[in-house]
Amino acid sequence: EAQVTQNPRYLITVTGKKLTVTCSQNMNHEYMSWYRQDPGLGLRQIYYSMNVEVTDKGDVPEGYKVSRKEKRNFPLILESPSPNQTSLYFCASSSWEHQETQYFGPGTRLLVL
Amino acid sequence: KQEVTQIPAALSVPEGENLVLNCSFTDSAIYNLQWFRQDPGKGLTSLLLIQSSQREQTSGRLNASLDKSSGRSTLYIAASQPGDSATYLCAVSGGSNYKLTFGKGTLLTVNP
Repeated sequence: EAQVTQNPRYLITVTGKKLTVTCSQNMNHEYMSWYRQDPGLGLRQIYYSMNVEVTDKGDVPEGYKVSRKEKRNFPLILESPSPNQTSLYFCASSSWEHQETQYFGPGTRLLVL
Repeated sequence: KQEVTQIPAALSVPEGENLVLNCSFTDSAIYNLQWFRQDPGKGLTSLLLIQSSQREQTSGRLNASLDKSSGRSTLYIAASQPGDSATYLCAVSGGSNYKLTFGKGTLLTVNP
């Protein structure tokens, strides 16, 4: 089954404790992206990757890092989480041939205390 | 910078009603427009995608239209059902990075 998986689905952490949210897709997609969703602000793009070893900033990259060492994985790293990064995070992927069809993961709900 | 606005922010209707959700965008240079559904605590499900060269798309009781020149799209839901209750998101795609710019959504409640 074609899917995008995220782990963990729920996470409570404390300010300053480094964490990684993993994203994996099994569709051999070139493009992957991270969004965060906040009440009243909607979904905003954090980072994206056009292919392995190619990443770039989205609209709200501050406080986040990403890496794309393998085609299937695109982890989101919070080196020093802060309460303003409490949010619902979505990973998405698509192929170059069908870039309009983005598959979304189930979301990761993060609470930073 | 592209901005997407959805009206109304929330809508409550009795079961069986036909309804229209509205979406507007500021930059008409888009590749496509999508409507998504989001259930509480869940991910996004793509409902309809309209390419920039198209005027509308239909899937079952859903019909989405696109007027690119005026920067508007509507999602028409016929004979609404309680199972249609969800947040509906409009998103446009444009630029070289495949980015989707989302509206803030319309929270739809269909009452039995």
